[in-house]
Amino acid sequence: AQSVTQLDSQVPVFEEAPVELRCNYSSSVSVYLFWYVQYPNQGLQLLLKYLSGSTLVKGINGFEAEFNKSQTSFHLRKPSVHISDTAEYFCAVSDPISNFGNEKLTFGTGTRLTIIP
Amino acid sequence: DAGVTQSPTHLIKTRGQHVTLRCSPISGHKSVSWYQQVLGQGPQFIFQYYEKEERGRGNFPDRFSARQFPNYSSELNVNALLLGDSALYLCASSLVTTYEQYFGPGTRLTVT
Repeated sequence: AQSVTQLDSQVPVFEEAPVELRCNYSSSVSVYLFWYVQYPNQGLQLLLKYLSGSTLVKGINGFEAEFNKSQTSFHLRKPSVHISDTAEYFCAVSDPISNFGNEKLTFGTGTRLTIIP
Repeated sequence: DAGVTQSPTHLIKTRGQHVTLRCSPISGHKSVSWYQQVLGQGPQFIFQYYEKEERGRGNFPDRFSARQFPNYSSELNVNALLLGDSALYLCASSLVTTYEQYFGPGTRLTVT
């Protein structure tokens, strides 16, 4: 069974400072990895995804993440945050080996990023 | 293009009642997934339908059921509602081949 651990439930960061949101996963098979963002009272928006290839993945809004297979991690980073980045961030994993068309995502519990002016 | 739409936005039900939630996928998307997000937690997978067939089922009781229609829209049904069913129900659609799921704004269900 797959699982995702987001090590920090809340992360306060000053505006224009860098941020790293941590994510570790557990899986007995190869995985696809995702970061989603959820703004208040909204659905989830895909920030970036890792399927294969380069371990450094760039996404929208200046975010990037690095896949580290040996440490089973997929940490999200941004070099300089903005007030508008205040939101809940979810790391998720899916199993690419399952039957075609099966896209079950297993999510972590989320990290609330608060930007301090 | 319109995104994933869900209806209703909010609803309040009483314990023991039945509820039907609806989802319209992005045009061209044939896969629809449903997730339950309890306050303060990450979304939990309930069902996935692709080409009108169930492709995945999460660890939810038989009170939860779903179906997908020929136009790829979907319904999630929950019978005999419990207080613990209060949550944000999210629908997501995708092309499957891209592994990118697009989420709707959700339906906030409150069971009293």
